[in-house]
Formats: sequence, C-alpha cells, structure tokens
Amino acid sequence: RKEVEQDPGPFNVPEGATVAFNCTYSNSASQSFFWYRQDCRKEPKLLMSVYSSGNEDGRFTAQLNRASQYISLLIRDSKLSDSATYLCVVNPRGGKLIFGQGTELSVKP
Amino acid sequence: EAGVAQSPRYKIIEKRQSVAFWCNPISGHATLYWYQQILGQGPKLLIQFQNNGVVDDSQLPKDRFSAERLKGVDSTLKIQPAKLEDSAVYLCASLDYLAGNTIYFGEGSWLTVV
Repeated sequence: RKEVEQDPGPFNVPEGATVAFNCTYSNSASQSFFWYRQDCRKEPKLLMSVYSSGNEDGRFTAQLNRASQYISLLIRDSKLSDSATYLCVVNPRGGKLIFGQGTELSVKP
Repeated sequence: EAGVAQSPRYKIIEKRQSVAFWCNPISGHATLYWYQQILGQGPKLLIQFQNNGVVDDSQLPKDRFSAERLKGVDSTLKIQPAKLEDSAVYLCASLDYLAGNTIYFGEGSWLTVV
C-alpha cells in the first residue's frame, strides 16, 4: 500500500461546479497534513494546511478524518484558474513530507 | 525574502554521463530536501538534510546518486552515470518550522537523459 494515495484523475468540471478530492494515508501516527497546488511545469506551492477541526479558506475547505486516515479538499464555485494538479502531503514524522501522486483538475468554461 | 534558488534550470545529457544540480535554500532554513518528480507523478523524496547531516536518504539510489550539504547551507545533487529513467525534474525545498512546517520549493532543475 502506498503511504499517500489520492483519487485518480483527471477531474473535468464546468465553471461554478463543486469538486472534492480525497486522499488516504497509511501511517496512523502522521502528524500534519497539507494540500499543495502545482501548475503545469511549475513547482508545488502550499494551498492550505489541514487541521483536525477542518478549515476553510474562501472557496476551499479541507477536512481531516484521523480515524479513517483520510483527508479531503472541497472546492466550491470552481474557476478556470483553479485548473491545476492538487497534491496531498503528509508528514509522518520529523519534517519528512510524503506526497501523493496528485489529482489533476481541469475547469472548463 | 529570496526564495529557494536552483541551477541549472534545464539540462540535457546522454545516458552514462554525469550531471550536478545546485540548491541554495531560504536563509535560515535548516532542513533541506531533494525531490524527484517524474512527469505525471507526485514528488518523491530522495534525501532530507538537517543542517549538514542526513536525516533520510532511504529512497536515494546510492549506486548512482549522491548529495551533500557540507556547510549546512547550499547543497549539490549529483547523478553519475545517468540512465534514461532519471529524466525528471529535481526539486529542492526547504522547511520553515515557524510557519507550521511549510516547505518552499525552488523552480526545479529539468533533466532530460537521451
């Protein structure tokens, strides 16, 4: 089993749609969790951290379920500019960060 | 604040040749990572440094890859000899503990082995 596994993509959605990505992790002792965004041929950039209580940043909502070892990212009212690859990132310990394979999102007009 | 600097940005080499990539992390960041990202996949950790010491190099193919961070600041990743499957982007990143363990990536060094 992979340490971090994401929904296979790509997701093709119309503008204004709501889309959700899921991610599971294998190490139950993992300490912190993140979503990164990566544009085509660019480096990954932090989108948001994921907190146990769930957190929201504008149109983006992240949830963590420690019991089931999964993380989710919800994007509401999708924009064309949201088209990118979304990477789930888990810190199992000591600053080590493990990336999922990424889920590609394409938002169409 | 300057970001993570990497060079060269692009490199094309023939198989069995050698190549070296350089990274200068954000000033003050003690933790430095090298990741390999093959097209269509997520970044894969090759090596993690804490200052000038290696924390994790379990996924570094040590028969051909080496990395050092002698003075605990900048770092070099070397591949010798290169194989076709080494074609990837090599991402350097540094960690900011004060910002909730946020890592910042450089723009990457794109390697094509022909």
